[in-house]
Amino acid sequence: AQTVTQSQPEMSVQEAETVTLSCTYDTSESDYYLFWYKQPPSRQMILVIRQEAYKQQNATENRFSVNFQKAAKSFSLKISDSQLGDAAMYFCAYRDTQGGSEKLVFGKGTKLTVNP
Amino acid sequence: SAVISQKPSRDICQRGTSLTIQCQVDSQVTMMFWYRQQPGQSLTLIATANQGSEATYESGFVIDKFPISRPNLTFSTLTVSNMSPEDSSIYLCSVREGAFFGQGTRLTVV
Repeated sequence: AQTVTQSQPEMSVQEAETVTLSCTYDTSESDYYLFWYKQPPSRQMILVIRQEAYKQQNATENRFSVNFQKAAKSFSLKISDSQLGDAAMYFCAYRDTQGGSEKLVFGKGTKLTVNP
Repeated sequence: SAVISQKPSRDICQRGTSLTIQCQVDSQVTMMFWYRQQPGQSLTLIATANQGSEATYESGFVIDKFPISRPNLTFSTLTVSNMSPEDSSIYLCSVREGAFFGQGTRLTVV
């Protein structure tokens, strides 16, 4: 079964600085999707960024970018120019592309604090 | 894109009762997903709901406890039956391959 590991339960960053959140996963599949979600105290799960495994280029969305290392099964999220509104729980997730399943497998999350 | 309206946003229920959670999507979707997030934990998939067929439940979740309805392509309900304090969680629905989630329902069972 696929697993997703986030080894940092908590991280903190100064406003305007850069922080990197780690995620590793385990799968025997060659094609899949990886996601980072943000969950603020409002509980809403917000998709931050998505990476398709067959694409070598790292995904980028404004201040958010990923470092996808397929051989190492690593998928870290970099937040640049951190803002107070970035404070939230961040979840890494995995999804197969095979077999018709759209099931997401989530890591345990990293709580990000942004200090003014 | 898709906008999901999930209701209720929160509820406090007595043990032994049932609560039905609704998700309404502003566009037609083939599959809807129901997740549970226990306090301080990550999300776990309860079941996948396709319109016109029985929901598919993940290991550890059964239809008698979490009956699901999917009457059309824009709506689904999840019922948490015969509740106990262990059912206290956030319940979320999701569509479009995880791109969109409802606002979540915070359930407390006393």
